Amino acid sequence: AQSVTQLDSQVPVFEEAPVELRCNYSSSVSVYLFWYVQYPNQGLQLLLKYLSGSTLVKGINGFEAEFNKSQTSFHLRKPSVHISDTAEYFCAVRGTQGGSEKLVFGKGTKLTVNP
Amino acid sequence: NAGVTQTPKFQVLKTGQSMTLQCAQDMNHNSMYWYRQDPGMGLRLIYYSASEGTTDKGEVPNGYNVSRLNKREFSLRLESAAPSQTSVYFCASSENIAAVYGYTFGSGTRLTVV
Repeated sequence: AQSVTQLDSQVPVFEEAPVELRCNYSSSVSVYLFWYVQYPNQGLQLLLKYLSGSTLVKGINGFEAEFNKSQTSFHLRKPSVHISDTAEYFCAVRGTQGGSEKLVFGKGTKLTVNP
Repeated sequence: NAGVTQTPKFQVLKTGQSMTLQCAQDMNHNSMYWYRQDPGMGLRLIYYSASEGTTDKGEVPNGYNVSRLNKREFSLRLESAAPSQTSVYFCASSENIAAVYGYTFGSGTRLTVV
């Protein structure tokens, strides 16, 4: 079964600084990859996804992620963060080999953007 | 464009009480899921329903039951609540179990068991 490791539980940054949130998954077999964002007291919202094709995926709110098959990673980046990006971010993976596989979520990274 | 609707948003129960969390989606999705979210634990799957008429256990099913009432609705029942079930519960749905486009989540139910 797939597993997901989000390497940082908390990431503090200053406004307008770049940020990278790291995500590694367990298997190098074909996968679908997702990043979700959760603002305080809200549900999870899809930021972006990788299914196939270009390894650089662009999402909403200026975020992008790069799929690296050899390193089994899918790190999330933003070149300049805003206060409003303060939220918890979840990486999720689904293998494509089994028909009934579900999304497996990482434990989340809390991004705090300070003025 | 409601998406996934969960009720109630907040609930306080006494130990041993029962309750049902309701979830409905209006996207004509076939698959639905119940997760719980606890600090530092991420999201853990409780039960899921791949399609109307089927339900299966997830990672943490003990103490819960589910009912897929119809294609739109998927409820989660706590028969005898325990303090360990204090959590935020999320319902989600996808067009099918393959979930190529990921899941759509509701806004959650914050449950406290005292």
